This record gives sequence, structure tokens and C-alpha cells, in this order.
Amino acid sequence: KAGVTQTPRYLIKTRGQQVTLSCSPISGHRSVSWYQQTPGQGLQFLFEYFSETQRNKGNFPGRFSGRQFSNSRSEMNVSTLELGDSALYLCASSLQTEQETQYFGPGTRLLVL
Amino acid sequence: AQSVTQPDIHITVSEGASLELRCNYSYGATPYLFWYVQSPGQGLQLLLKYFSGDTLVQGIKGFEAEFKRSQSSFNLRKPSVHWSDAAEYFCATGRGGGGNKLTFGTGTQLKVEL
Repeated sequence: KAGVTQTPRYLIKTRGQQVTLSCSPISGHRSVSWYQQTPGQGLQFLFEYFSETQRNKGNFPGRFSGRQFSNSRSEMNVSTLELGDSALYLCASSLQTEQETQYFGPGTRLLVL
Repeated sequence: AQSVTQPDIHITVSEGASLELRCNYSYGATPYLFWYVQSPGQGLQLLLKYFSGDTLVQGIKGFEAEFKRSQSSFNLRKPSVHWSDAAEYFCATGRGGGGNKLTFGTGTQLKVEL
């Protein structure tokens, strides 16, 4: 069974732009969660989507948003990029939404110049 | 709020030596606990998990962890480290009712000396 895939793997943007990252979960998984990883803040939970609904949200500004499609694929969007948004963005999928084991993708590394 | 502490930022061990990485959690009820490993430039790979039951959990790659409620700990162990184990290790916790949100520790960077 294929693992979690994320596209693109690397991205360079400039301040003020917006970006959309994509995540395809493991087949049959209905929950997708997003995490941001930076050297300073470590791994932080962004949000979780389950059955196209946001299930849970971390402490991030409204510039960070996401959605999930009927096939469980998910996208996250960051608008008005700031230098501090440079990070590795990790997507994780799980079968259900209640503390299931999460399987992570390789991440998208975003650099904001 | 639940939290996880990994007291050791860096650990260096010799190949073949035993390893123990520390993890302490803060949560009133029994937490769900995980250990993940991350190689440079990669995502997170699940090593093992504890939800309930037997407090000694076996994982992949020869790793094990023991849940000790009295010490609020979930330390990761391996009897003999291989050079390929060099990576960053993260302890994480979650709890039912909060969806799949994981709270991670700050990670422990493991270096293996040949």
C-alpha cells in the first residue's frame, strides 16, 4: 500500500505570496492532519480534517487554512507569506479521527524569501 | 494541557552500546504515547505506540519502550545501537476526545560513534 504523499517536496516563495500544499493520504484513511516543523518551535499541530470537516485546529493565525476533498486528499493554504513561515510542513493520515496511529508523509519544505 | 518533555537534546553513543532516550509526559489520565524517528530531510516514521495494556511495548527496528505511570515516563530503549540509528527521535502524546492532535516533545538528536 502506498504511503502518504505530499506535493511539492520543495517550494520557494517570496513574502506576501500565497502557497498551496497538497497531501494524499494512505488509501482508506479518512483523517488528514497537518504539522509545521521549524528549528525554533519544533513540531506543531496545524489542523486535522476528517470527512471533509475540520476536526481540530492548532494555534495558528487565520492565514493558515485547509480543506479536504471527498477522496480524503487534503490541501493547506498559507496566504500572505511571512519569513517565519519557512518550515517543513508534514501531513499525516490515519484511518479514523479518534487518536488513531498517524502515518506521516515526507513533508514539503517551504522557503520564504 | 497535555505536554511532553524530552530532557536530552543530544545523545552520543558508540555503536553496539545500549540506548535509552527519555520522555516524560504531563496528563491526568492515561495518555496515548508514541515514539517517532526522523532521518535528515525525511518525514516521521512511527517506531512504537502505547494506548493501554502491557506497559512494555515492542516496536520496529529492535526498539522498545516502557510506560511507567508512577514516573510519568515513556522511555525508549534499544539494547544495541547500529550506526543507521543516528537520527532525531520524537516522543508524542495524544488523547481521545481531541481528534488526532499530537503534542510532540522537542526531540533528541542521536549520534552514533563507530
